[in-house]
Amino acid sequence: DAKTTQPPSMDCAEGRAANLPCNHSTISGNEYVYWYRQIHSQGPQYIIHGLKNNETNEMASLIITEDRKSSTLILPHATLRDTAVYYCIVRVGPGNTPLVFGKGTRLSVIA
Amino acid sequence: GAVVSQHPSRVICKSGTSVKIECRSLDFQATTMFWYRQFPKQSLMLMATSNEGSKATYEQGVEKDKFLINHASLTLSTLTVTSAHPEDSSFYICSARDLAAGTDTQYFGPGTRLTVL
Repeated sequence: DAKTTQPPSMDCAEGRAANLPCNHSTISGNEYVYWYRQIHSQGPQYIIHGLKNNETNEMASLIITEDRKSSTLILPHATLRDTAVYYCIVRVGPGNTPLVFGKGTRLSVIA
Repeated sequence: GAVVSQHPSRVICKSGTSVKIECRSLDFQATTMFWYRQFPKQSLMLMATSNEGSKATYEQGVEKDKFLINHASLTLSTLTVTSAHPEDSSFYICSARDLAAGTDTQYFGPGTRLTVL
């Protein structure tokens, strides 16, 4: 079972920042937070992951609260091509544990 | 990021036939690959974990004799759907772990859409 809770859907205006929340109140100390997205009829795309520090890459920023019970994925300037289902997943670090997907958040970027 | 390919991208077959789907890690070696299935408007469901050189580990409810997995090399895993039936029609997605630089990130293939008539 997924260990995260996400809103089922969100809208965002094109060019604005998209802030996608995720609750993971039962996260363990050795579990990372991963974000993936799936554009319609494609395989999931890795976005970013983190343990406890905020992370940023060319795609997005990940803000993790100090108690690690929730996080926010930020797409700084959303475009129409960012319309997708975004999955927040917690998983133990290095090891053979696979990613377990919940229902995710369907983000619609509107022109 | 690392690249994972799948072949074919789309297949239509008759009921009772077998279909093989290939998953390749193109620029890294993957000792572990995963197979997922996704039905319309649903999330990805893990089917099995494929380890190079050993038997796959199947999730509860997934028939190992129906979904044959072979991971014969560090860059190739195959999923064979045997005696396919219409209820096996789905989007099959593979994933491979990239352990380079200690990142341990899973990368996904583009998926294979199977339609059984």
